[in-house]
Amino acid sequence: AQSVSQHNHHVILSEAASLELGCNYSYGGTVNLFWYVQYPGQHLQLLLKYFSGDPLVKGIKGFEAEFIKSKFSFNLRKPSVQWSDTAEYFCAVNVYSSASKIIFGSGTRLSIRP
Amino acid sequence: GAVVSQHPSRVICKSGTSVKIECRSLDFQATTMFWYRQFPKKSLMLMATSNEGSKATYEQGVEKDKFLINHASLTLSTLTVTSAHPEDSSFYICSAAPPGQGDYGYTFGSGTRLTVV
Repeated sequence: AQSVSQHNHHVILSEAASLELGCNYSYGGTVNLFWYVQYPGQHLQLLLKYFSGDPLVKGIKGFEAEFIKSKFSFNLRKPSVQWSDTAEYFCAVNVYSSASKIIFGSGTRLSIRP
Repeated sequence: GAVVSQHPSRVICKSGTSVKIECRSLDFQATTMFWYRQFPKKSLMLMATSNEGSKATYEQGVEKDKFLINHASLTLSTLTVTSAHPEDSSFYICSAAPPGQGDYGYTFGSGTRLTVV
């Protein structure tokens, strides 16, 4: 069955530290990959996406992610985090089997110390 | 941009009653909508895919008779939790994308907090 794994459940960083959140998926077919962010008390928002082309994609707020097909990974990165990045981050995969559907990872809670 | 509206945002109901949650695409037509359930401190679990004009596709383990989905128009999908029990208390979220634009990311509703007492 298709699945998405986020191994970091809770990450605590100081401001200006660099960030990398891991995401691995298990599906051998065509996928589109996403990172969503959920700020406290708000709904999910799309951070960035990959569907073809350059495997290094840039999103909003200085985030980027790299799709490594051989590793089935799509890790999220940011060189210097800010306190306002405190949120829950979800990796998601749009798999195409009999129908298209999006599967989410378990999420990573990011806490930034001011 | 694409906007998805969910209503109500919060609902409290008694055990044994049914609750309907609406998901609307405000500025686009959606032939497909997705319903998720989010448990506290856990990820979103895909419950079902709502298909306009046809039956919903339920994920394994989701009771289709308990979670009734109706997608009667291109802008509205409803999820009805029938004979609700306290264990159905959760955060329910819908999502949709304009036709052919799912590859670019889905828009999520603001969610509905259901509490069954």
